[in-house]
Amino acid sequence: DTAVSQTPKYLVTQMGNDKSIKCEQNLGHDTMYWYKQDSKKFLKIMFSYNNKELIINETVPNRFSPKSPDKAHLNLHINSLELGDSAVYFCASSRTSGRAIPEQFFGPGTRLTVL
Amino acid sequence: GEDVEQSLFLSVREGDSSVINCTYTDSSSTYLYWYKQEPGAGLQLLTYIFSNMDMKQDQRLTVLLNKKDKHLSLRIADTQTGDSAIYFCAEIFSSNTGKLIFGQGTTLQVKP
Repeated sequence: DTAVSQTPKYLVTQMGNDKSIKCEQNLGHDTMYWYKQDSKKFLKIMFSYNNKELIINETVPNRFSPKSPDKAHLNLHINSLELGDSAVYFCASSRTSGRAIPEQFFGPGTRLTVL
Repeated sequence: GEDVEQSLFLSVREGDSSVINCTYTDSSSTYLYWYKQEPGAGLQLLTYIFSNMDMKQDQRLTVLLNKKDKHLSLRIADTQTGDSAIYFCAEIFSSNTGKLIFGQGTTLQVKP
């Protein structure tokens, strides 16, 4: 299936741990994003990579580090997890080059719960 | 500025029309979008409108754009229980980076 996929779907962990969320897209897009959706459903962009280059880096704690090994993958590593990191994290991708309409395709989300 | 505002909740009866409203602040936005999020799922693009258009119709969906007032609306005709979801308005802040600014989302409840 052509899609944006994320693993894991659910992640429950203790405060202070380090964890990673993986994202892959097979749509041939050149840009990938990480969003955070809080408990009030507010959705905010965190990072974006275009062809493995970081192009958006919002005000996010240094504990969050994105890594893009290639155009089809964008992983999110979180160090020293805190209670406030509990949220749903969405990966998305789009084509921003050329004359294509900038439509973002979203993954199913990873629900992170920090205890 | 980066700000998109929506009302948080709308309740309608099945078969009625639903109108979800949104205001945005960045007058240079080229595209405005409506996304739908069903419980436990990701966001699905419903429709978009280019900034030089006033209206776009796509089956049961009608998008109206008032650039002067920076107001966007989504009308769903003949609302069904399957339309119950959260609807997000979004504007594209930068076409180069694809950065989207989302509203808070409007929860649409459709009563049978």
